[in-house]
Amino acid sequence: NAGVTQTPKFRVLKTGQSMTLQCTQDMNHNYMYWYRQDPGMGLKLIYYSVGAGITDKGEVPNGYNVSRSTTEDFPLRLELAAPSQTSVYFCASRLTGEGQPQHFGDGTRLSIL
Amino acid sequence: GENVEQHPSTLSVQEGDSAVIKCTYSDSASNYFPWYKQELGKRPQLIIDIRSNVGEKKDQRIAVTLNKTAKHFSLHITETQPEDSAVYFCAASIPGTASKLTFGTGTRLQVTL
Repeated sequence: NAGVTQTPKFRVLKTGQSMTLQCTQDMNHNYMYWYRQDPGMGLKLIYYSVGAGITDKGEVPNGYNVSRSTTEDFPLRLELAAPSQTSVYFCASRLTGEGQPQHFGDGTRLSIL
Repeated sequence: GENVEQHPSTLSVQEGDSAVIKCTYSDSASNYFPWYKQELGKRPQLIIDIRSNVGEKKDQRIAVTLNKTAKHFSLHITETQPEDSAVYFCAASIPGTASKLTFGTGTRLQVTL
């Protein structure tokens, strides 16, 4: 198993541009999550999904959108990038059931100028 | 919603000494408490977790204790080694909320020779 795979690893955008951060997992996990991690801070939940076709907002959803058309994929879209969205973005997934650990991808480092 | 506070923000210990990191949570319904280790530029990796029906859990040099009454839990690392140097994050999860994790702000542990 590759686990949770995120692409790209690095990206630089200009303010106002849009892009999609890709996340895919091959562990047949129903639950998937997107976090952002600002320098020296903890992780904050952006969006999450409990299964294909179901998504919901987390703590900091403004400026982002997600979709979940398959169990494997959970892309995160930035429509109008802003410098405040400069961060490292982590995708995670887990099995259904209480107490199951979240497994993280390697992250996407995004800079918006 | 849940709030997790983590202390200290930085911790320096000599190799072979013990390190203790403490977290408090606000919602008494939280029932799952993982600890993640994050090396510079890497993904968070689960090192140990505990559920609310257990007071202590150990895995070699790492242990976690939970005090539900006081709503705090702690990570204990014994016989620290240079490779333990990293940022450690605690988190808490409330059942029935898609197991969303609320993270602490992290503790930077430095193990000196």
